[in-house]
Amino acid sequence: AQKVTQAQTEISVVEKEDVTLDCVYETRDTTYYLFWYKQPPSGELVFLIRRNSFDEQNEISGRYSWNFQKSTSSFNFTITASQVVDSAVYFCALSERGNAGNMLTFGGGTRLMVKP
Amino acid sequence: KAGVTQTPRYLIKTRGQQVTLSCSPISGHRSVSWYQQTPGQGLQFLFEYFSETQRNKGNFPGRFSGRQFSNSRSEMNVSTLELGDSALYLCASSEVRDTEAFFGQGTRLTVV
Repeated sequence: AQKVTQAQTEISVVEKEDVTLDCVYETRDTTYYLFWYKQPPSGELVFLIRRNSFDEQNEISGRYSWNFQKSTSSFNFTITASQVVDSAVYFCALSERGNAGNMLTFGGGTRLMVKP
Repeated sequence: KAGVTQTPRYLIKTRGQQVTLSCSPISGHRSVSWYQQTPGQGLQFLFEYFSETQRNKGNFPGRFSGRQFSNSRSEMNVSTLELGDSALYLCASSEVRDTEAFFGQGTRLTVV
């Protein structure tokens, strides 16, 4: 069965620090998809990135970057020069191709607090 | 393009009652999924509908049910409410399978 683990439940940093959020996943499927979502206090989950299991290239989008390593089953997320607006709960999620459709398995989330 | 719309945003119900939540997906999206979020269990998948058919179902009791209409709008129903059903219920819409899901702001249900 699929599983996603986010070992860091809460991280606190000071503005402008870099921070990395860890995500480790388990799956028996050879084709799968990994996602990161941000949940601000309003409650809505905001999509950040989708990565398929055949694409191990790292990705950078502005201050955000993602490191996907199949060898360690990890999909870590780094925020460079953090800002107060980055404060939110971040979720890593997994979707297996073997499922009939769209079904996300989420990690427990990491609450990031960025202090001014 | 309008986002995913969930109504109502907040609900207070009494134990034993039933409740219906509504979700309007992004225009053109045919897949609608529902998730329950609680502090103890985190985000858990309830079910997914695609073209009016349930395609996936999570590990929830039969009190939780859903349906999807021909315009892709979806409803979920919880019967015989229990205190433990208090949660944020999130709806997500996707174009096709394995693509990114876009979430609504959720319905916060409180059972008293």
